[in-house]
Amino acid sequence: SQTIHQWPATLVQPVGSPLSLECTVEGTSNPNLYWYRQAAGRGLQLLFYSVGIGQISSEVPQNLSASRPQDRQFILSSKKLLLSDSGFYLCAWSDGTGYYEQYFGPGTRLTVT
Amino acid sequence: DQQVKQNSPSLSVQEGRISILNCDYTNSMFDYFLWYKKYPAEGPTFLISISSIKDKNEDGRFTVFLNKSAKHLSLHIVPSQPGDSAVYFCAASPRYTGANSKLTFGKGITLSVRP
Repeated sequence: SQTIHQWPATLVQPVGSPLSLECTVEGTSNPNLYWYRQAAGRGLQLLFYSVGIGQISSEVPQNLSASRPQDRQFILSSKKLLLSDSGFYLCAWSDGTGYYEQYFGPGTRLTVT
Repeated sequence: DQQVKQNSPSLSVQEGRISILNCDYTNSMFDYFLWYKKYPAEGPTFLISISSIKDKNEDGRFTVFLNKSAKHLSLHIVPSQPGDSAVYFCAASPRYTGANSKLTFGKGITLSVRP
């Protein structure tokens, strides 16, 4: 069966510091991968998605970037965090072959102070 | 412009009664609809989905109804249980377009089931 991991689970970072969140998927090959953010009182906002190694699409202009160095690894980064980057970050995968369902990881709670 | 709307931010029901969670959409290209359940500090989990070729899909206590002419769908939970207390997200997707399939989510509804 497929499993999706995210780490760290929680993170407190000062403004201006860098960020690296990692997501890995097990039990599937060539998944579509997604990064979402849930801000307080808001829905799920799609930040980035990837259909293959090195292929990243950005949904919203922002202070963040994403990379996919391996088939089942997705990384969310920032060079300098802003207060507005605080939120709950979720990684998700789908099999990309005709099914719409996406499956989410446990999430990372990021607080920028 | 919010294409998937969950206008009621919260709903409270008595245990054993029916919970009805509503969702409206504006994009006529949406072809497939999903409901997710989310507990605090956890990722959303997929609950149930429906294709636009159907008007109802049932899975145990969960039933989703789709009214395409009204661009409206609803999730019914019968009977409601305290463990159903969570945030429920409605999501939609246009007809599958290959690898670039994406979901658009609503803001969520917080369901509280009272014992």
